[in-house]
Amino acid sequence: SQTIHQWPATLVQPVGSPLSLECTVEGTSNPNLYWYRQAAGRGLQLLFYSVGIGQISSEVPQNLSASRPQDRQFILSSKKLLLSDSGFYLCGLEILGNTIYFGEGSWLTVV
Amino acid sequence: EDQVTQSPEALRLQEGESSSLNCSYTVSGLRGLFWYRQDPGKGPEFLFTLYSAGEEKEKERLKATLTKKESFLHITAPKPEDSATYLCAVQALPGAGSYQLTFGKGTKLSVIP
Repeated sequence: SQTIHQWPATLVQPVGSPLSLECTVEGTSNPNLYWYRQAAGRGLQLLFYSVGIGQISSEVPQNLSASRPQDRQFILSSKKLLLSDSGFYLCGLEILGNTIYFGEGSWLTVV
Repeated sequence: EDQVTQSPEALRLQEGESSSLNCSYTVSGLRGLFWYRQDPGKGPEFLFTLYSAGEEKEKERLKATLTKKESFLHITAPKPEDSATYLCAVQALPGAGSYQLTFGKGTKLSVIP
């Protein structure tokens, strides 16, 4: 069965510092991968999706970027964090052509 | 633009008191409607996918139904362990190679013993 690993689970970062969140999946090959953010009082917002190595599509212009260096690895990054980047970041794995399953998430607090 | 509205925002039920959660949606062409359960501090857990009006899916005390404009999640004789936030999401007909979801803000369900 497929599994999704996200780390770190929790982090507190100062404004202006860099960010790297990592997602790796197991049990599947050539998956579609997603980054969503869940902020307080808001629904899950799609940030990026990737259909293959090096292929990234951005849904929302922002302070973040994503990369997919390997088939089963998806990384979310920022060079300089803003307070508004705080939130719960979820990695999604698309299975069977349409169902998206989520990892346990990474809590980011920017202070 | 695809939109999903869930109501109520919060719902408190006594154990055994059945009720329904609503998900209203607008989408250019619906490929699927999804229900997820999310516990505090956790990622969403997939429950159901519905594809066409009239379709129903069941899992334990939960039953999801779909019409052309909304979906209902019926909870029969809920237990305290059913307490969670329930998320609804729509998936539009495919474009650009992905099956991205548009989510509602969720309904927070509390079941009181």
